[in-house]
Parts: sequence; structure tokens; C-alpha cells
Amino acid sequence: SQQGEEDPQALSIQEGENATMNCSYKTSINNLQWYRQNSGRGLVHLILIRSNEREKHSGRLRVTLDTSKKSSSLLITASRAADTASYFCATDPSMNYGGSQGNLIFGKGTKLSVKP
Amino acid sequence: KAGVTQTPRYLIKTRGQQVTLSCSPISGHRSVSWYQQTPGQGLQFLFEYFSETQRNKGNFPGRFSGRQFSNSRSEMNVSTLELGDSALYLCASSDGLAGRLFSYEQYFGPGTRLTVT
Repeated sequence: SQQGEEDPQALSIQEGENATMNCSYKTSINNLQWYRQNSGRGLVHLILIRSNEREKHSGRLRVTLDTSKKSSSLLITASRAADTASYFCATDPSMNYGGSQGNLIFGKGTKLSVKP
Repeated sequence: KAGVTQTPRYLIKTRGQQVTLSCSPISGHRSVSWYQQTPGQGLQFLFEYFSETQRNKGNFPGRFSGRQFSNSRSEMNVSTLELGDSALYLCASSDGLAGRLFSYEQYFGPGTRLTVT
């Protein structure tokens, strides 16, 4: 079953604009990860944020995590045409003892289109 | 380090046949996970192997099976193929260390596109 739900399902912006994607999930997590997929290819890991972190940056990417609302957002600043891809959030659900369930649960993704 | 490799990249099979897909993880990674991706269901977890043992399993019928070898390479097999098995099958490797302190960050291969006719 899907744990993460991305919003919006599709997003179209102009080059240079910022893109924000949101993810909501249902259970307690150890961490939340964001991945990018270009047109039916493999997924590329972008960034991981642990459950005790609130914000993380990596280049033009900024991720926030609000565990009280069970939600995360991915911000891509100064977008480029090459950022056109599908973006997925994936959660690593935690078990009762605090350990990892052992597999990631993916949302259905946000399809981002950046027009030159 | 070389990335995750999957073979073959494309495959066309007919209903009722069986298929075997292969995955070679990143050197040093002991965990291999398999996912099925379809437009309707998205990315769904099939199973995970760690040190030649199946450690986790998703909600798929017994027609889907896998194994892992001592060099961490993994294969997945689908028997009695159905039209609905057409999908992109993704393999991901990680160091396999689970628990609160570890990230379980996964590195994906390019996938095998399976078409069942």
C-alpha cells in the first residue's frame, strides 16, 4: 500500500522559477527520502532527512519534515529544463522497537515539467 | 564505484511463460531489493534479500520469487506470466544496515522493462 502521497500530481513551471512538492505519510518513520526518475528510467536518490531533523539542504534542493503533521516538502530553487522528471518521496517506516521495517514505501510521485 | 546493473534492459514474453531478471548491486552492498513499477499502482515493493536470505517480502503472489547469491547478485523470477505483470522492474542495493541509526538509502538500477503479450 502507498504510504506517501505527493501533491501536486503534476506541476508545470518556467525555467528559473521555484518548484515545491509536498508529501504526506501515515505512520511513524525513521527517515524520509526523495528520489527523481527521468522518463521510465531508474530512480536517483536526491536527499534523505531523518525523523529528528526539520530541514536539510543539498545544492538547489531544500527539504523540510514536519513529523507532527506527517508531511514533507521538497523545494527546487531556480529550476532548469534538466529538472524535468518525476519526483517521489519514500518513507522508511519504523517498527515498534524503533528499528527499520526494512523497505521503502513510495508515493505515486509528482511529475514536474520545466519549460525553457 | 560501478552502479547497480540490471539485465536484460528490455524483455518481451508471452502469457504463461516464465522470466528471470538479474541484478548486480554496488560493490560492498549486501542488500538487494526489488520493486515493480506500473502506471496504475506506482512503485511497489516485491522483496528484499540480505546475505542470501529473504529478509522482507511485499504483497505479491507466489509466482514472484527471488534469490541472492554469495556475491550479493540477485535474480528474480516470475512464473506463469500474466498481462498485468507488464511493468518496469527495478532493483535497488543498499548496505542493508537497518535500524534507527541507519539510513537505508537505496541505489537503483536502470530497470528491466518487461512486456507480456
